[in-house]
This record gives sequence, C-alpha cells and structure tokens, in this order.
Amino acid sequence: GNSVTQMEGPVTLSEEAFLTINCTYTATGYPSLFWYVQYPGEGLQLLLKATKADDKGSNKGFEATYRKETTSFHLEKGSVQVSDSAVYFCALSERSARQLTFGSGTQLTVLP
Amino acid sequence: EADIYQTPRYLVIGTGKKITLECSQTMGHDKMYWYQQDPGMELHLIHYSYGVNSTEKGDLSSESTVSRIRTEHFPLTLESARPSHTSQYLCASIGGSGTQYFGPGTRLTVL
Repeated sequence: GNSVTQMEGPVTLSEEAFLTINCTYTATGYPSLFWYVQYPGEGLQLLLKATKADDKGSNKGFEATYRKETTSFHLEKGSVQVSDSAVYFCALSERSARQLTFGSGTQLTVLP
Repeated sequence: EADIYQTPRYLVIGTGKKITLECSQTMGHDKMYWYQQDPGMELHLIHYSYGVNSTEKGDLSSESTVSRIRTEHFPLTLESARPSHTSQYLCASIGGSGTQYFGPGTRLTVL
C-alpha cells in the first residue's frame, strides 16, 4: 500500500533560518505529491504540488522537488518568517486520485 | 479558490446529545471525505463518498454516520455524543486535478 513518512517535529527555528522538512513515500505507481499547511485553528491549505518526477513545486518561497530515485519530496525554504509557523503535511495521490495518503504532520515554530 | 464550508466551527455539547456536522462544497466535486484530527495532529480518514448515494467507512473506525443525498452536501452525524468524540473534524473534497480541498474544520467538545 501507499505510505508517507515525514520528519518528526516539533521543529523550532529562528527567523530567517533555512528550513528543510523531509518527506519520503512508498507508492505502487507514479503518484502526485503535495505539501499542505495548516495554520492554527484552520483547515489544511494546499501549499504546493508536483505531478511527475523532477517537477519542482513552489509557492510563497517554499519549494519541493519530486525525486523518484530517492522517493522523496522534501520541503525547503531559504528564509523562514514568524508567519510560517504552522503544521506541514506531506501527501501523495495515486493517478486514480480517489484518496490522498497523508504523513503525520510536522509542527514548525519560528521565533522572532 | 476552493469553496468548501463547514458549520458549526465550534461546538460544545453534553454527553448523549445527537449532533450533525455540516459540510458543503460548491465546486461540483464527486469525491468527499471526513477526517478526524487528534491533538497530535495526525489525520485519520473516517468516511468518504465517491458520489451521490455512495458512502464508505475509512481507515479509522468511527461511531459516526454520513449521508450523501446531494453532490454538494456531506453531513456527519453522531447519534449519541461521548467525551471520546471530542476532536477536530475536517471535511474535504477532491477535484479533477487530484488536489484535495479542505474546509475550515469543526472543533467538537463533548462534556
């Protein structure tokens, strides 16, 4: 079956630090990969996605590259802000797109 | 911009009450989902539907029930709420691109 493993948190960084949240996956086919963000008290929002190998998704300064050879989709940002404090979820969807498989979430706190 | 709504956003009720959490979307999506999110943040799929009159149980066993009489509406019902049902409930739908859109969630507290 499909599974997503992401870096355990919580992660605490100072403002302007570099961020990496690791995500690896197991899938039987060629899935689409997603990063979602959940701000306090809200639902999940799509942050970025990639649909095939070597694609790079990017949004709001965040980036992730679909690496088929390492089955990874690590989230990076060069300079985090206090407003980036949230929970980040990695997810995959098979081509049939019937369901998403989520990782367990990583809590990020950015201190001023 | 996704249009998926949940009401109420917050609900505090006593044990034994019957409650219905509402979820609606205006995007015409066939596939809809309910997740329960525990304090440790992990999402657990409890129900899903692939269209009108189609409902299935998810990975996590739940005492709740769902119905799908209209495409845009996917309510979740608890016949007799208990403190163990205290949680955040998230509704979602998937469009043709495979992207899942989430509602803002309902935070339920059962006293």
